[in-house]
Amino acid sequence: DAGVTQSPTHLIKTRGQQVTLRCSPKSGHDTVSWYQQALGQGPQFIFQYYEEEERQRGNFPDRFSGHQFPNYSSELNVNALLLGDSALYLCASSLARDSNQETQYFGPGTRLLVL
Amino acid sequence: AQKITQTQPGMFVQEKEAVTLDCTYDTSDPSYGLFWYKQPSSGEMIFLIYQGSYDQQNATEGRYSLNFQKARKSANLVISASQLGDSAMYFCAMRGISGGYQKVTFGTGTKLQVIP
Repeated sequence: DAGVTQSPTHLIKTRGQQVTLRCSPKSGHDTVSWYQQALGQGPQFIFQYYEEEERQRGNFPDRFSGHQFPNYSSELNVNALLLGDSALYLCASSLARDSNQETQYFGPGTRLLVL
Repeated sequence: AQKITQTQPGMFVQEKEAVTLDCTYDTSDPSYGLFWYKQPSSGEMIFLIYQGSYDQQNATEGRYSLNFQKARKSANLVISASQLGDSAMYFCAMRGISGGYQKVTFGTGTKLQVIP
């Protein structure tokens, strides 16, 4: 049973550049959420995708955008990179049930460093 | 709004001993779910245990148990018989209707170090 996968594992960019991160959900899952985890902090919710649409969004600027494909995989795009965008980006997959119990399963993350 | 507070930045425990990691939460949701995740240095968040706000019994999963005290709004994680492989960051998290169910709110984490 394939778990959540993310690519690339590490990435170095310079300020002002654009980056695309990729995520494949766990087998059987149809929903993908993205989180940003700065050093020494807990993950912060960016947004969630279901049926190729953004369902909910956290407190992140429009520079952060995403996409979900028919096979449920997802991309996170960040434009005009800032130094403060340096973080671990985590993808989580789940089923689209509006339930407190629905557990999100996380991938290994992509470490982004902006110079 | 939902808020998770983990007041222990770091904890040490002797191998084979039990350890309790504290978590308090704040929410106005009548129904919510509480989670604990483990994050090794590799970065992946590993799901450990879930507790529903209406569950009558405390959740248990192998060596992990959740000490849920609803009136005090606390959801402490107890790890029994600690192993060296338990050394990691531990995050308490919650979700509920005020977060739209989709959003999971995390605490700042506790770094656990198991001493041989």
